[in-house]
Amino acid sequence: QQQVKQSPQSLIVQKGGISIINCAYENTAFDYFPWYQQFPGKGPALLIAIRPDVSEKKEGRFTISFNKSAKQFSLHIMDSQPGDSATYFCAVIREAGSYQLTFGKGTKLSVIP
Amino acid sequence: NAGVTQTPKFRILKIGQSMTLQCTQDMNHNYMYWYRQDPGMGLKLIYYSVGAGITDKGEVPNGYNVSRSTTEDFPLRLELAAPSQTSVYFCASSFRDRVLEQYFGPGTRLTVT
Repeated sequence: QQQVKQSPQSLIVQKGGISIINCAYENTAFDYFPWYQQFPGKGPALLIAIRPDVSEKKEGRFTISFNKSAKQFSLHIMDSQPGDSATYFCAVIREAGSYQLTFGKGTKLSVIP
Repeated sequence: NAGVTQTPKFRILKIGQSMTLQCTQDMNHNYMYWYRQDPGMGLKLIYYSVGAGITDKGEVPNGYNVSRSTTEDFPLRLELAAPSQTSVYFCASSFRDRVLEQYFGPGTRLTVT
């Protein structure tokens, strides 16, 4: 049972363009919707997270958009740079009594000059 | 501050062999986690620990064992290795009230042949 479906699997964007990665979830009982960034040979690192009572959160060039009724959330990377080339994972987590992050399958982003 | 360290970086096991993956953190984090990451997939939680002497199963615990005798160390034991355990293993740690902000080690790439 896959609780988080992430798309696309891979993405190529020109430098300066907008990268958009989407996730859909199947359970309404989640409290946080984080995004993680993973560079080759490294473990993931938290990029940005949103709670379901907020429709959008922005940190620098990174924005999460959240649509509770559609059970979808997305990551937007504005002015994409070659240094943003990495694999991005969405995840969901329940706050109460749960320590389990459930990850999407990941999106490999390549930003070309 | 070394963060989260894992050893070994790479290992090849024969079917039926056993081994222990070591994980140490020096950030005084209460919580520690073991994940596996298969190609093209997100991370899946194997085991986690909320403190010394306390461990619990994650999503995919079969074939693995853990122990947590100190705050710093959280070794993962593979008994009777199988090809299905070929994966990259990540150890992570976090503070109790910051489960989203998990600090990951560099990973151990394990091949079982």
